[in-house]
Amino acid sequence: SSELTQDPAVSVALGQTVRLTCQGDILRSESASWYQQKPGQAPLLVIYGRNNRPSGIPDRFSGSTSGDTASLTISGAQADDEADYYCNSRDNNENHVVFGGGTKLTVL
Amino acid sequence: QVQLLESGPGLVKPSQTLSLTCTVSVGSITSGAYYWSWIRQRPGKGLDWIGSIHYSGSAFYNASLRSRASLSVDTSKSQFSLKLTAVTAADTAVYYCARGGAYDCSRGACYTPFDSWGQGTLVSVSS
Repeated sequence: SSELTQDPAVSVALGQTVRLTCQGDILRSESASWYQQKPGQAPLLVIYGRNNRPSGIPDRFSGSTSGDTASLTISGAQADDEADYYCNSRDNNENHVVFGGGTKLTVL
Repeated sequence: QVQLLESGPGLVKPSQTLSLTCTVSVGSITSGAYYWSWIRQRPGKGLDWIGSIHYSGSAFYNASLRSRASLSVDTSKSQFSLKLTAVTAADTAVYYCARGGAYDCSRGACYTPFDSWGQGTLVSVSS
């Protein structure tokens, strides 16, 4: 299956650590990327590959993968981190790019 | 950092063809091995990948849209384009162009993230 499954909504207290997950069989053979999207804005790449951050992304964002599940961890969540987060990867068998359904992160 | 800008009509009638162009600047569409992609987001929904194209013309599509979507590239203008035929209200969305989704590798096309995005353009399908 080419699907990537994410929790629809997650909340975290300000300053606490939160882990968002993305599950799918394709993650056993391909890496995941993570995007942050705020209302009215284009998505922004925050994590890619094993655990790489593009220039300008705070180091409180980190990524990991175990088996069929990729995780995005935000250590010390800030109010500015409140956004929708999407995972993304590729089904190499089907030559198909896939997005997860997204997780709405609320910072309390 | 490469910059991308979508352009095209904001309103399309049902059954007609949606046509959008993405102009790549501060960088060239022929530099590197990147594919260039279209992604859409229906109102209040998640991201849907439409398809990706290399400047050589090699392209691949979301299977659910393959019969209606067509990508092309104009290297002289550093642009790539999307045509989506027989549109319905379900095609109303913000359409983004982006760099990535794949890059040209020894195995053909290998995964790479979408590292640069256009601002998006809203296309409404309505009579």
